[in-house]
Amino acid sequence: EIVMTQSPATLSVSPGERATLSCRASQSINNNLAWYQQKPGQAPRLLIYGASTRATGIPARFSGGGSGTEFTLTITSLQSEDFAVYFCQQYNNWPRTFGPGTKVDVK
Amino acid sequence: QVQLLQSGAEVKKPGSSVKVSCKASGGSFRSFAISWVRQAPGQGLEFMGGVIPIFGKPNYAPKFQDRVTITTDESTNTVYMELSSLRSDDTAVYYCARSDSRDYLWLDPWGQGTLVTVSS
Repeated sequence: EIVMTQSPATLSVSPGERATLSCRASQSINNNLAWYQQKPGQAPRLLIYGASTRATGIPARFSGGGSGTEFTLTITSLQSEDFAVYFCQQYNNWPRTFGPGTKVDVK
Repeated sequence: QVQLLQSGAEVKKPGSSVKVSCKASGGSFRSFAISWVRQAPGQGLEFMGGVIPIFGKPNYAPKFQDRVTITTDESTNTVYMELSSLRSDDTAVYYCARSDSRDYLWLDPWGQGTLVTVSS
C-alpha cells in the first residue's frame, strides 16, 4: 500500500498571503494525484487532479505541481473561504490512499 | 450534473451490520466507478473500495475485504455498501463518490455523507 504523507499538519496563514502545502508518496505515483478541500461538516471537494489540472469551477489561485513522489498545492492570496483542511489522494495503485491532511487556519 | 444522494444516519450495536445507499441522478450510472470512503470523527479519509456497475465486480481495499460488500441496483441507479461485524471504531461518516471514468481515479462529486454510529 502506498503511504501518503502531508506537511505541515497545520499551516497558519494571514488572508491575502500565499500557502504552500506538500504531499509525498512512499513510491512513485507518476502524476496520479488529486487534491481535495474539506470544510467542517461538508464532504470533500475536488480541487486538482492529474497533479496539476484544476477541476471545473476551481479558482486560478489554486495550483498543483510535482510528479513521482513529491507534490505541492499552492494557494496564492488566500481568501476567507480557503481556510479548510486539504487532503491529497493517489490513484496510481490499489488501494487508493489519502494523506492525513493539512489544516490551513488563520494566523 | 451528477448528484449522489445517500441514506440517512444510522445507530448500530457492536457486532451488527449496516447498509448505506448512494443514489445517482443526473448522469450515466453504469459506466463510471463509485467509490466508498469513510472518515472517523476528527480523522482523515480512508478508501474502502468501489464498483463499476458495467463490470459488476466490486473491488475492495485489503483492510475491508473481509467485512464489506458493495452491490448495485441498476434499476434505481443505486450503489450499496454493507459493513458487517461492526465495532466502535467503525463509527464514521461514510461517503460515496464518483470517478468520471471506468477506473477509480479522482473523486467528484461526493455524496453528502452518512453518519454511522456504533454503540452499545
